[in-house]
Amino acid sequence: DAGVTQSPTHLIKTRGQQVTLRCSPKSGHDTVSWYQQALGQGPQFIFQYYEEEERQRGNFPDRFSGHQFPNYSSELNVNALLLGDSALYLCASRPVTGASTEAFFGQGTRLTVV
Amino acid sequence: AQKITQTQPGMFVQEKEAVTLDCTYDTSDQSYGLFWYKQPSSGEMIFLIYQGSYDEQNATEGRYSLNFQKARKSANLVISASQLGDSAMYFCATPNAGNMLTFGGGTRLMVKP
Repeated sequence: DAGVTQSPTHLIKTRGQQVTLRCSPKSGHDTVSWYQQALGQGPQFIFQYYEEEERQRGNFPDRFSGHQFPNYSSELNVNALLLGDSALYLCASRPVTGASTEAFFGQGTRLTVV
Repeated sequence: AQKITQTQPGMFVQEKEAVTLDCTYDTSDQSYGLFWYKQPSSGEMIFLIYQGSYDEQNATEGRYSLNFQKARKSANLVISASQLGDSAMYFCATPNAGNMLTFGGGTRLMVKP
């Protein structure tokens, strides 16, 4: 059983560009959350998707948007990239009725903005 | 709003010895939980242990135990018999009602042979 898979693993983009990151949740999981982890810091919650809708959102600007597909996979889109958007982006999934202890994380996508 | 504080940026421990990683929390919720995650250089967050605020006994999972002191708002992770593979970043976290996790800044643990 594959866990949470994220693609790509690494990405280099130029300031001002747009980027799309992808996440496939663990089998049986229908809720997906995204986190941003800057170098040397703890992860910061971006948003959470369930039933193809954004359910919770952290303190991130509208440049960060997402989508969830009927198969529960999810995308994170970032527009007008800034140097400060360079970070590890983590995806976590869990069943909506499950406890937080049932959440699994992917290995992340390392985004570098130059 | 929740807040997690980890005051130890880095820790060294000798192989086979025990080590305690500190975590203090601040929450206005009556019922809450505390998590510890391990993050190796590969980036994945690995769940280690969980403590609920109403659990009467400290949580244990193999070599991991949680020293939960509610009055002090602390939830320290104790790793016994450290192994070289324990070298990693360790994060304390707490969820809100919607299971959004608030993380601390992390502690880098280095196990010396």
